Amino acid sequence: GEDVEQSLFLSVREGDSSVINCTYTDSSSTYLYWYKQEPGAGLQLLTYIFSNMDMKQDQRLTVLLNKKDKHLSLRIADTQTGDSAIYFCAESEGRSGNTGKLIFGQGTTLQVKP
Amino acid sequence: ETGVTQTPRHLVMGMTNKKSLKCEQHLGHNAMYWYKQSAKKPLELMFVYSLEERVENNSVPSRFSPECPNSSHLFLHLHTLQPEDSALYLCASSQGQGVFAEAFFGQGTRLTVV
Repeated sequence: GEDVEQSLFLSVREGDSSVINCTYTDSSSTYLYWYKQEPGAGLQLLTYIFSNMDMKQDQRLTVLLNKKDKHLSLRIADTQTGDSAIYFCAESEGRSGNTGKLIFGQGTTLQVKP
Repeated sequence: ETGVTQTPRHLVMGMTNKKSLKCEQHLGHNAMYWYKQSAKKPLELMFVYSLEERVENNSVPSRFSPECPNSSHLFLHLHTLQPEDSALYLCASSQGQGVFAEAFFGQGTRLTVV
């Protein structure tokens, strides 16, 4: 079955770049996503990338997709303490682009130290 | 505020109790979902409703019973739960199923079964 894996924890200093990595198994996924979950809150869609793209940049966020290796990464430039949260990688199930039917990784806890 | 409201935010129940979780969305979406988020595990999709019909049930035990009386409301009825059912239950909604549609999540109900 489909599987999404992430490292569980990342700690960086404020102002540094953070890179969160993810591997997935379903090569037919149309979209891949990054969600953010702050303490006590639900999930918030941060960004997404269409499967025929290699890179997407959105302000401080850069998403890189390596389809051959089924590897997705999220780079946060100039990381701030407000970026401390759990970041989830997710793939859409099959060819559906509907973000409701997603397969999530375990989440990477990002700790930003002042 | 994401437009998806879940109540209660916290719930403690005994194994013989019956309780219900409520989700309400004011976004005009036509699909709603229940996810389970357990510690150190990926989010698990439990149920999918589209146009008020259940279209997916991911092998969820019968002690969880969903109900979608209209497109704005989704319930999860709970009875005779087990301690391992303690988790954060997240509701989400989206517009559409076959094309890209961002899912909006509620803040979740933190359930503790004692």
